[in-house]
Amino acid sequence: DTEVTQTPKHLVMGMTNKKSLKCEQHMGHRAMYWYKQKAKKPPELMFVYSYEKLSINESVPSRFSPECPNSSLLNLHLHALQPEDSALYLCASSQGGGSGLAKNIQYFGAGTRLSVL
Amino acid sequence: KNQVEQSPQSLIILEGKNCTLQCNYTVSPFSNLRWYKQDTGRGPVSLTIMTFSENTKSNGRYTATLDADTKQSSLHITASQLSDSASYICVVQTGTASKLTFGTGTRLQVTL
Repeated sequence: DTEVTQTPKHLVMGMTNKKSLKCEQHMGHRAMYWYKQKAKKPPELMFVYSYEKLSINESVPSRFSPECPNSSLLNLHLHALQPEDSALYLCASSQGGGSGLAKNIQYFGAGTRLSVL
Repeated sequence: KNQVEQSPQSLIILEGKNCTLQCNYTVSPFSNLRWYKQDTGRGPVSLTIMTFSENTKSNGRYTATLDADTKQSSLHITASQLSDSASYICVVQTGTASKLTFGTGTRLQVTL
């Protein structure tokens, strides 16, 4: 099973709403990632969690708040977003824990398409 | 600055034909290079991953090559199918496991 599951698939929210994106994997991976992807652009790294601890924050605005409740789950809490935050949000995971090639192949979820009105 | 450039930006080919996509990178230190396939509105799916010591790697009808000296890679698709229509993204990893540099992708359309 190489599946990373993201919910919801689509989300429409107003600028004053609070919502959360969820990501789940059951591959025993210890590294999990959030990416943001605008149309016809490559994914941009937002956050990396390694062994349930935040290891990288790519200077993401505080209106995006990641959370890793356990090794299988990764959330992205959204609050007071702007219309320019509308994008495809991708979650990925990798085995982690070393530099071996197999350990750092990132498996991506299908994404959540977010529209901010 | 680490950069990955892909060409062409877009490509239209007839079903059954072959095609080759190009990737040039200026990334240091180089760890590995990956090709991903991304269907519209979906997450990327890994096709191949190569280290500097590997020249070629195949995955079914997909064959990737890597020339670490010239910092070029190509992805060759044989006997294209309609389902090959997607964006193909070249991604280079630098140093740590977490940092990937993504190319802007080649958008491939396979038609009848």
